[in-house]
Amino acid sequence: GAGVSQTPSNKVTEKGKYVELRCDPISGHTALYWYRQSLGQGPEFLIYFQGTGAADDSGLPNDRFFAVRPEGSVSTLKIQRTERGDSAVYLCASKASYSTDTQYFGPGTRLTVL
Amino acid sequence: QKEVEQNSGPLSVPEGAIASLNCTYSDRGSQSFFWYRQYSGKSPELIMFIYSNGDKEDGRFTAQLNKASQYVSLLIRDSQPSDSATYLCAVNIKQSSSNTGKLIFGQGTTLQVKP
Repeated sequence: GAGVSQTPSNKVTEKGKYVELRCDPISGHTALYWYRQSLGQGPEFLIYFQGTGAADDSGLPNDRFFAVRPEGSVSTLKIQRTERGDSAVYLCASKASYSTDTQYFGPGTRLTVL
Repeated sequence: QKEVEQNSGPLSVPEGAIASLNCTYSDRGSQSFFWYRQYSGKSPELIMFIYSNGDKEDGRFTAQLNKASQYVSLLIRDSQPSDSATYLCAVNIKQSSSNTGKLIFGQGTTLQVKP
């Protein structure tokens, strides 16, 4: 079946602009995660959704970052007033249920802030 | 101290040899442990998970967990050039009564398998 999909695959923007990154999880997966991966580092947790609600947003670096999942499926990560330090690969992952640990990652969106 | 630590490498082994990748973690409350493989420019791909002390084997891969030593490792037998990638260790830490399932990753170890 289809895996996790993310769009766009690449996004180049200018400092100060607003960007939206989209994640479409595996069908039926109720849990959705956003991670950020900088070059040479492992992914870093940003936010977790169980259904429509953000159950854990402790990884969001500041209030410029926000994410939604209004219908419990597709999620959008929104970054306001982008900074050069936001440049990274943003990864989305989903898993089947509360009790299942295995997360499946999408291909990521490479964000470059000039 | 980082929550999950890995040697960044690169770890270089000849084709056919055993590659041993190591990971330590700081939180004794850690519940489950994962190894992901990441090819350059690609997203992480799950290889194995382990929950209990001891060894877990899947084909050429063996995960080893020692909770007392807070240590988890991945052995790759009969290494192939196609195994050349970055291997990420990830830990799921249960916090209080909830388990969000968020993963804490190490920085990854780069493995090079030379023909």
